[in-house]
Amino acid sequence: GAVVSQHPSRVICKSGTSVKIECRSLDFQATTMFWYRQFPKQSLMLMATSNEGSKATYEQGVEKDKFLINHASLTLSTLTVTSAHPEDSSFYICSAKQMNTEAFFGQGTRLTVV
Amino acid sequence: AQSVSQHNHHVILSEAASLELGCNYSYGGTVNLFWYVQYPGQHLQLLLKYFSGDPLVKGIKGFEAEFIKSKFSFNLRKPSVQWSDTAEYFCLTGGGNKLTFGTGTQLKVEL
Repeated sequence: GAVVSQHPSRVICKSGTSVKIECRSLDFQATTMFWYRQFPKQSLMLMATSNEGSKATYEQGVEKDKFLINHASLTLSTLTVTSAHPEDSSFYICSAKQMNTEAFFGQGTRLTVV
Repeated sequence: AQSVSQHNHHVILSEAASLELGCNYSYGGTVNLFWYVQYPGQHLQLLLKYFSGDPLVKGIKGFEAEFIKSKFSFNLRKPSVQWSDTAEYFCLTGGGNKLTFGTGTQLKVEL
């Protein structure tokens, strides 16, 4: 099946710095990519939906200036956590899909802000 | 707007027991329905999907789901669970470029 690669899988950063997470669809062109956040023992929380070449649509309560999403091509979307704080520590997951198909998920990124 | 409801949040079963996880959706357009599984420490994987055709869908690892339009349901079933089925199961609905998650069901299978 199709593969979505997410990088890095783990990152530790200092409070106040920014971290960029990449999500690539390796063998298909993704018209839409999604970014999720998963808290321990909870379901995935959709943060934003991005379509290639247009601005991301953020879910209510998600700060767009803090979580910058760029979907510059049909195979790459990036999530930048700006001025990270310990409360931003979480598991971030991306998924990619084409119109009317299933979604394929990345392996996730464990972010720890110290 | 699309929404998905999973009624069972935590399920504990003994090996060889039968499994049925409920999923109800709310969407007036073209319905695409999915079940995904997340094993401990792994990423989400597709179990099965329904786009059209036979409402009884067979998936991987012996799972199946039945699309019942009149009940807006897409319940996941397995006749006999194994310890290795311990995981979190998510029902999703998606039409066009939308994708909506249910809250997930944590399944624990005991030996």
